[in-house]
Amino acid sequence: DVQMTQSPSNLAASPGESVSINCKASKSISKYLAWYQQKPGKANKLLIYSGSTLQSGTPSRFSGSGSGTDFTLTIRNLEPEDFGLYYCQQHNEYPPTFGAGTKLELK
Amino acid sequence: QVQLKETGPDLVQLTQTLSITCTVSGCSLTTYNVHWVRQPPGKGLEWMGAMWNGGGTDYNSAFKSRLSISRDTSKSQVFLRMNSLQTDDTAKYFCARESILYHFDYWGQGVIVTVSS
Repeated sequence: DVQMTQSPSNLAASPGESVSINCKASKSISKYLAWYQQKPGKANKLLIYSGSTLQSGTPSRFSGSGSGTDFTLTIRNLEPEDFGLYYCQQHNEYPPTFGAGTKLELK
Repeated sequence: QVQLKETGPDLVQLTQTLSITCTVSGCSLTTYNVHWVRQPPGKGLEWMGAMWNGGGTDYNSAFKSRLSISRDTSKSQVFLRMNSLQTDDTAKYFCARESILYHFDYWGQGVIVTVSS
């Protein structure tokens, strides 16, 4: 199975700032990486798939980049609703595997 | 719109069997694959298995023969059944719809299951 290493585990930022979350695959997954947001009491939300394709409804302040083994989720001009947990997931091969998560907290 | 909702017990006794139902609305189980994913407290997401739109299933080898997934298309429901529960099976269990190529565009809110001795 492809192992996904996500960093950092925790991140503190203020509204208006920009942040980046990284995800590294144990082998090449081409462009096939998804990013999800998790918040208490809400269903997990797909933000980006295939590395950089925004899911319908995802605000343009979110962007994804990378290919092969190294990927980045960038959130520009943080809004209060962006604070929560973020997970990456490779969808290049079966079985799908997830990173351990990044907690984005208010500074 | 597409919705998934998990229903199941809050508490299961050690070594007993867990049964959770995922009720899907807004799309057809014969068109979309539905997966089960779990999340132990304070930990990350773990893929458990899938119900393919054609009726087949597949499972994470980590669960060996403990896990069974089935469906009732007439009720638009997918079922998870896992036996021989241990305390480390305490987790939030999610069902999710696969968009294309193993990523998930709709999730249920999950059901928290505690395994108690």
